[in-house]
Amino acid sequence: DTEVTQTPKHLVMGMTNKKSLKCEQHMGHRAMYWYKQKAKKPPELMFVYSYEKLSINESVPSRFSPECPNSSLLNLHLHALQPEDSALYLCASSRLLGEKLFFGSGTQLSVL
Amino acid sequence: DQQVKQNSPSLSVQEGRISILNCDYTNSMFDYFLWYKKYPAEGPTFLISISSIKDKNEDGRFTVFLNKSAKHLSLHIVPSQPGDSAVYFCAAKKTSGSRLTFGEGTQLTVNP
Repeated sequence: DTEVTQTPKHLVMGMTNKKSLKCEQHMGHRAMYWYKQKAKKPPELMFVYSYEKLSINESVPSRFSPECPNSSLLNLHLHALQPEDSALYLCASSRLLGEKLFFGSGTQLSVL
Repeated sequence: DQQVKQNSPSLSVQEGRISILNCDYTNSMFDYFLWYKKYPAEGPTFLISISSIKDKNEDGRFTVFLNKSAKHLSLHIVPSQPGDSAVYFCAAKKTSGSRLTFGEGTQLTVNP
C-alpha cells in the first residue's frame, strides 16, 4: 500500500460551519503534512507532524486546527473559515521528517 | 520572496522530442532538489531528485541536471510522450530540514 488517502474529495461549507478533513496512510510513515494549494500556485506548507507531535506550524490561523490521533491518521479541523480559504488541501507523508513526500489527491474546499 | 522559480508557466512539445523544464533558486542553503508531476484532480507525484553533491541524475526517460554556480536545475524528458502532459513542480530543501519549497509549476503539453 503506497497510497495516501484523503476524504472527502470535495467539500463545500459556509463560513459558520465546522468540518474536518481526513488523511490516512498505511506505509508506516512517521511524518505527516498538510499543504494548501491555490489555483496556479505552488503548494504551501501549513503543518508538519513527526511521531504524532506537531513539529511545524507555519503561522496558520487558528480557524485551522490539525490533529494527529495516531501514526496513520491526520485530521484538519475547520471552523469559521473565510471565502479566501477556498483551495485544494493536500496531505502528504514521508518515512521520516524531511524525506521524500507522498501526496494524497487532496480535498477541494469551497467556502461560501 | 519566491525562493524557487519556474519562469515558464507552460511548455508545448511534440511527441518523441525532448522536453526541457527549467528551475532557478535563490537560497544558497538549498542542497536537495526534487521534481514532482501533478495531473488534474490528483496530488503531486515524486518524479526524480538530485543532491547538490551531484550534477546529474538519470532515471529512465527523465534526467535532472544541477548547476550549483548558476543556482539552476533542469528536467529533461526524452522522448516525450502524451502521457507526460501534466504540471511539473520543482522543489528544494536543505538536506537537514523538513520544509520543501515549491516553484509555481510548468504545464507541459506533449502533442501527438
